[in-house]
Amino acid sequence: RKEVEQDPGPFNVPEGATVAFNCTYSNSASQSFFWYRQDCRKEPKLLMSVYSSGNEDGRFTAQLNRASQYISLLIRDSKLSDSATYLCVPPPGSSYKLIFGSGTRLLVRP
Amino acid sequence: DAGITQSPRHKVTETGTPVTLRCHQTENHRYMYWYRQDPGHGLRLIHYSYGVKDTDKGEVSDGYSVSRSKTEDFLLTLESATSSQTSVYFCAISESLLAGGGNEQFFGPGTRLTVL
Repeated sequence: RKEVEQDPGPFNVPEGATVAFNCTYSNSASQSFFWYRQDCRKEPKLLMSVYSSGNEDGRFTAQLNRASQYISLLIRDSKLSDSATYLCVPPPGSSYKLIFGSGTRLLVRP
Repeated sequence: DAGITQSPRHKVTETGTPVTLRCHQTENHRYMYWYRQDPGHGLRLIHYSYGVKDTDKGEVSDGYSVSRSKTEDFLLTLESATSSQTSVYFCAISESLLAGGGNEQFFGPGTRLTVL
């Protein structure tokens, strides 16, 4: 099993829709995790930092399920500007090195 | 935005030539990283640094070397470039390595390298 697995998508949703991405992982020793957003031909940018089991920031909610070893990102009321690739970074293992998922592509259509 | 710059932003070179990419930060962060990003593989760690002159290998370090002589600069060198090293290279920085605060990474704008 890969250390981090993400559905590459694309997820094609209409404006205003709610969409959720999951990211499964193995080998975790901590509880902190991150979600990044990456636009085409740009660098990844930090979207959410979570140092507990979950966090909510406006339309975005990130959650950790330690028992099932996955993290999730929920986007409510999708905007056209949310179209991007979302990279998950699950809780790091004992090496403390962050492992990035390959990304889930989201397309929000008018 | 974090103060991270990379140079050059684009480079085309030939197989067998040496190439050096530079990452410069103004945040005074201790930890710096070099990644490559390829379709289907996501971001893969090449090398990282935990202080001046202190570096370690990542998961895809073969064919690459790094140096850090100052806190603000982290150099990635391809001693003899190969076509398999055609990729987008990102530098990243973080305040900490340990989970619990400060270990989130911030990325530079990337260098697009093509090896012919």
